[in-house]
Amino acid sequence: SSELTQDPAVSVALGQTVRITCHGDSFRNYYASWYQQKPGQAPVLVIYGKNNRPSGIPDRFSGSSSGNTASLTITGAQAEDEADYYCNSRDSSGNPYVFGTGTKVTVL
Amino acid sequence: HGQLQESGPGLVKPSETISLTCSVSGGSISSDSYYWNWIRQRPGQGLEWIGYIYATGNTDYNPSLRSRVTMSVDTSKNQFSLRLSSATAADTAIYYCARGTPPFYYDSSAFYDEGAFDIWGQGTVVTVSS
Repeated sequence: SSELTQDPAVSVALGQTVRITCHGDSFRNYYASWYQQKPGQAPVLVIYGKNNRPSGIPDRFSGSSSGNTASLTITGAQAEDEADYYCNSRDSSGNPYVFGTGTKVTVL
Repeated sequence: HGQLQESGPGLVKPSETISLTCSVSGGSISSDSYYWNWIRQRPGQGLEWIGYIYATGNTDYNPSLRSRVTMSVDTSKNQFSLRLSSATAADTAIYYCARGTPPFYYDSSAFYDEGAFDIWGQGTVVTVSS
């Protein structure tokens, strides 16, 4: 079972800001990576390391950490941002590359 | 920019072995410090990391699957492979291969980035059924 927990679903009005959180003890000294997955498609990396974005990822995506929580923020959400989002990091037992439970983002 | 493509049987009988191959194009599987991963997604479920292999052959597997997983690499073909033995219906999933970026330690924050999956294949569906 995953030890990285996410809210199952969040919604955001078009153009507004949404924060997606991921909880786990590892975030006190490990960064999370974040993945966007749209229906029927492979996941896409959107944030990694200390708030790094791969080329082609809009700058409205940003990452942060505080205590045992990692966050992905979408500032000015667009309709195309509607997707499932997964965090990934080490769990509290030291197991690597554990995925969070996933958050479905709906853009209203 | 590299590309990955999974291949293998889409239907496997219970108790048999799932065997998949990932072909890497647009770059050498031996380049830099990348590692090569298998990740799966059961129907309607989240993502699950299965394991990785380096071009050197070094591996690490998810503890929950370790007893059934074997990964191998063929640098001459620029491919890496997954074998998952004793398959059951619970192994029915989309199987993705993905490239892993090198780990990095940030001195300034004393935080560790253990790497991310920056390039993914499109995925291949494997159904375990008689």
